[in-house]
Amino acid sequence: QVQLQQSGPGLVKPSQTLSLTCAISGDSVSSDSAAWNWFRQSPSRGLEWLGRTYYRSKWHNNYAELVKSRITVNPDTSRNQFSLQLNSVTPEDTAVYYCTRDGGTSYGFFDYWGQGTVITVSS
Amino acid sequence: DIVMTQTPLSSPVTLGQPASISCRSSQSLVHSDGNTYLSWLQQRPGQPPRLLIYELSKRFSGVPDRFSGSGAGTDFTLKISRVEAEDVGVYYCMQATQFPHTFGQGTKLEIK
Repeated sequence: QVQLQQSGPGLVKPSQTLSLTCAISGDSVSSDSAAWNWFRQSPSRGLEWLGRTYYRSKWHNNYAELVKSRITVNPDTSRNQFSLQLNSVTPEDTAVYYCTRDGGTSYGFFDYWGQGTVITVSS
Repeated sequence: DIVMTQTPLSSPVTLGQPASISCRSSQSLVHSDGNTYLSWLQQRPGQPPRLLIYELSKRFSGVPDRFSGSGAGTDFTLKISRVEAEDVGVYYCMQATQFPHTFGQGTKLEIK
């Protein structure tokens, strides 16, 4: 059974960096069939895909154009986890953030989700 | 980006009765490989979304067979044959044919 455990601060000041970690159990971040994604959800913007990292002989990343200039998703093989960094945050980045696994059976096969982290951007 | 539009936004249903949710995409979701990567997810209050249907009509493991997905091209439907109390929540369609993956705005299913 795959489990994803999210951690990170819930309050971030404007212009600073949002950092979240997603610890994986029951699978490997280096899996050659899965991909590791970040989403967020807010009342004003709904559900949004932000980015992903995955390993296929080498590491790959894809990011949403909306946040491409500010986002980094990194694997941490020593801890079997992956992270989200979002720079220069504004109140528009206030949302619930989720990490997910794309299990690779099909495109968009988001079979496991983290518990969600409420992030508030405020001074 | 592909825009996903769901109707209705709210659906009051009687227990044991069927329910139907529609989703329309701003362009065809048929991938170059011939498959249609349209998923349906359920979000219960206070929970993360949960995968119900993927690739248009395939039920995810453990999903009751009262849930079914259908459609083609740009028009899609999620049907619940007989609504149960545990089905209360918000339902989202999501396309994964093209990056970025995009979602409908959600349909709230509630019991009358």
